[in-house]
Amino acid sequence: EADIYQTPRYLVIGTGKKITLECSQTMGHDKMYWYQQDPGMELHLIHYSYGVNSTEKGDLSSESTVSRIRTEHFPLTLESARPSHTSQYLCASSDGRGTGELFFGEGSRLTVL
Amino acid sequence: KNQVEQSPQSLIILEGKNCTLQCNYTVSPFSNLRWYKQDTGRGPVSLTIMTFSENTKSNGRYTATLDADTKQSSLHITASQLSDSASYICVVSDRGSTLGRLYFGRGTQLTVWP
Repeated sequence: EADIYQTPRYLVIGTGKKITLECSQTMGHDKMYWYQQDPGMELHLIHYSYGVNSTEKGDLSSESTVSRIRTEHFPLTLESARPSHTSQYLCASSDGRGTGELFFGEGSRLTVL
Repeated sequence: KNQVEQSPQSLIILEGKNCTLQCNYTVSPFSNLRWYKQDTGRGPVSLTIMTFSENTKSNGRYTATLDADTKQSSLHITASQLSDSASYICVVSDRGSTLGRLYFGRGTQLTVWP
């Protein structure tokens, strides 16, 4: 079982609120990722990091921001949530060696009213 | 355009039966192909990872095949169990960038009935 944790698992908030989705891994992986997933659709990469102080935007445009101050921690923040941000957010990590297997967290289900 | 297409979109089978899920891809260049199992409301869990030189790989009752020439893969589930009910996602990685970009299929939703 992967040692990667996301909190909260479920969050319902009102429009305009600031939210932070937490992601932590204890595997010492350098590479970490945030994906967005809607029902019946493929995962879309929204942010990734190759190490401390390294963050990049992914393929899908997102109004969220991320930070990587510590290797094990990769939080995602929405400054002002909107109903269009309602989605499942999945955090993942990889050691980047060989085939670079991804280990996913359990996900954070965000609903913005 | 690099794509990963999975079929069928959904599948219902009876417990104990076998089934095969398909994945066709156009990703080029090709590095590896992965199958993930995603239970409802959970994160994906890796089942197999295959490079271009591997034709088949097993993980318990799950057997994945890869034909790099025709760019097709299949996931065969033997003697299905109720716990196999999940979405099965095919993911292809290219080797064209240092990122090793991943291309995700939309998944096949499998339901196993008692």
